Amino acid sequence: GQNIDQPTEMTATEGAIVQINCTYQTSGFNGLFWYQQHAGEAPTFLSYNVLDGLEEKGRFSSFLSRSKGYSYLLLKELQMKDSASYLCAVSHHIFFNKFYFGSGTKLNVKP
Amino acid sequence: NAGVTQTPKFRVLKTGQSMTLLCAQDMNHEYMYWYRQDPGMGLRLIHYSVGEGTTAKGEVPDGYNVSRLKKQNFLLGLESAAPSQTSVYFCASSYASGTGASQAGTQHFGDGTRLSIL
Repeated sequence: GQNIDQPTEMTATEGAIVQINCTYQTSGFNGLFWYQQHAGEAPTFLSYNVLDGLEEKGRFSSFLSRSKGYSYLLLKELQMKDSASYLCAVSHHIFFNKFYFGSGTKLNVKP
Repeated sequence: NAGVTQTPKFRVLKTGQSMTLLCAQDMNHEYMYWYRQDPGMGLRLIHYSVGEGTTAKGEVPDGYNVSRLKKQNFLLGLESAAPSQTSVYFCASSYASGTGASQAGTQHFGDGTRLSIL
């Protein structure tokens, strides 16, 4: 089976740094992907990790530890527009054609 | 370049009625997916397709059927709608695995179809 856990909701202050965690237990693993979803909109791709370590893309970074079944998304210099849900998704298959999503973490950025 | 287009955007059905949701992509992607999103449950995969003429079951396929007769289109059908199928439905597409992890894993989503079944 698949079990992907994320915190339900987090609050952070504009300009700060926030870390959103994702833990997973899956019968197969071939990559972990992060998506951003603003309320009432479609998810959009942010970052991915296939190997252990940190991947940096501007204000966003994602980390993966396959041995621990753990990933996090790091958002720096928070802006009000970062208020959204952040979805963690595990690719189940080597051909990246089947994904399991966590329930998402709603991030509230306050002034 | 429209990306992924879903039709319709909103629909209200009565229990027992049937309907088809259409997804069209113009990015020449091999893979296409149908998800449903319910409050507190994230995205759940209904069915997916790795190429024209092929489909496969996801996590929650019961009550749904799909077809992919053309590479650019992926149809989701509800034969006899039930209130439990009230949800927001998202279609997504991506490149095939041979193009690399980033391309294959990066799904492009449509704007969603909000479906209510009374």
